Amino acid sequence: ETGVTQTPRHLVMGMTNKKSLKCEQHLGHNAMYWYKQSAKKPLELMFVYSLEERVENNSVPSRFSPECPNSSHLFLHLHTLQPEDSALYLCASSQGGLQAGNNEQFFGPGTRLTVL
Amino acid sequence: LAKTTQPISMDSYEGQEVNITCSHNNIATNDYITWYQQFPSQGPRFIIQGYKTKVTNEVASLFIPADRKSSTLSLPRVSLSDTAVYYCLVGDRRDNNDMRFGAGTRLTVKP
Repeated sequence: ETGVTQTPRHLVMGMTNKKSLKCEQHLGHNAMYWYKQSAKKPLELMFVYSLEERVENNSVPSRFSPECPNSSHLFLHLHTLQPEDSALYLCASSQGGLQAGNNEQFFGPGTRLTVL
Repeated sequence: LAKTTQPISMDSYEGQEVNITCSHNNIATNDYITWYQQFPSQGPRFIIQGYKTKVTNEVASLFIPADRKSSTLSLPRVSLSDTAVYYCLVGDRRDNNDMRFGAGTRLTVKP
């Protein structure tokens, strides 16, 4: 596998369920990101991890819980979601830091989440 | 807060050159200008990045005037497959948390 992969691609869950989204990057990058994209809205940055440490939590509700066990994997744990949380969740990675070059973000295909 | 302002939408026809302008009046000294393209239900894809003057690659050109308060993405001879949303981002590329996506410009290429 190459690039950034995300699983599952589609997820339907009830408001009382607990689920997790997985992201894996095969690019040797040291920064990873979670974004949320709702219909007809701009991309919203949710979390940023750099060298496996979270550097930003953009006032995201606690029902979203990220986990970055190593520089290649990123999870988003979901619990007690609301219907308005239905969206496309995108993961990205980049070669951050002083040697980052253009620090281009590479995105995965996304997980389409529907909360019933 | 997004640091950029772009037109919400643009229409063009196949074979034409398309220029999308982005305003970034408060650009900082260490900020670069980066453009991404996004197709429906996919993640954005990097197109081009620049700091000043002109940058060209196999996909597009980026024009940045001397005051750097705006930039123009130029797509030569667009095709139907160039229909997408184009985002202009401004930020310090060494800071993973500094580049933010705005609303973007929805380009529609017609036959």
